[in-house]
Amino acid sequence: DIQMTQSPSSLSASVGDKVTITCRASQSISTSLNWYQQKPGKAPKLLIYGASSLQSGVPSRFSGSGSGTDFTLTVSSLQPEDFASYYCQQSYTTPITFGQGTRLDIK
Amino acid sequence: QVQLVESGGGVVQPGGSLRLSCTVSGFTFTNLGMHWVRQAPGKGLEWVSSIQHDGLYQWYSKSVKGRFTISRAVSRNTLYLDMNTLRPEDTAVYYCAKDREYNRRIFDYWGQGTLVTVSP
Repeated sequence: DIQMTQSPSSLSASVGDKVTITCRASQSISTSLNWYQQKPGKAPKLLIYGASSLQSGVPSRFSGSGSGTDFTLTVSSLQPEDFASYYCQQSYTTPITFGQGTRLDIK
Repeated sequence: QVQLVESGGGVVQPGGSLRLSCTVSGFTFTNLGMHWVRQAPGKGLEWVSSIQHDGLYQWYSKSVKGRFTISRAVSRNTLYLDMNTLRPEDTAVYYCAKDREYNRRIFDYWGQGTLVTVSP
């Protein structure tokens, strides 16, 4: 199975900050990497697919990069609604696997 | 608009069974793969099962293989998850999700989730 490791597990930041979350795969997954945002009590929401493609309707302050085993999600200027948990997911092969999540809190 | 609505969750004793349903609308059900993902209380996301767009192939996580069965009823626009021999560690919110593109395993729309509690 492909293991997905996110870092950090939690992060405190302020409105307007630029933040980066990383995700590492235990083997190469090309660009088959997706990012989701989840708020408490809600279903996850797709932000980025194919490592760097922005899902329709997602603000352009979100961006993704990487290929192979190392990936990043960047939020260029945090807004109040961005404080949530974030998960990476590999769609390269089954079993599909998620990172353990990154909780982004207000500082 | 795209909608996925789960139902069927509840409280069940260990060893019991439950059937979850996910009724969809707003897209062509037969064109896309469908998935179940769960989230234990306070934990992260865990993929459970997937079914190909035409229903011919199914995939399961090791933790549920042999106990859970995924299926789809095209005439009812409904995805199912039959869960047998339930264990306390199956306690979670279960989400259904659809493929963004043909069998790409990218989950672009999710249901609201249904809670399954396995407890004596």
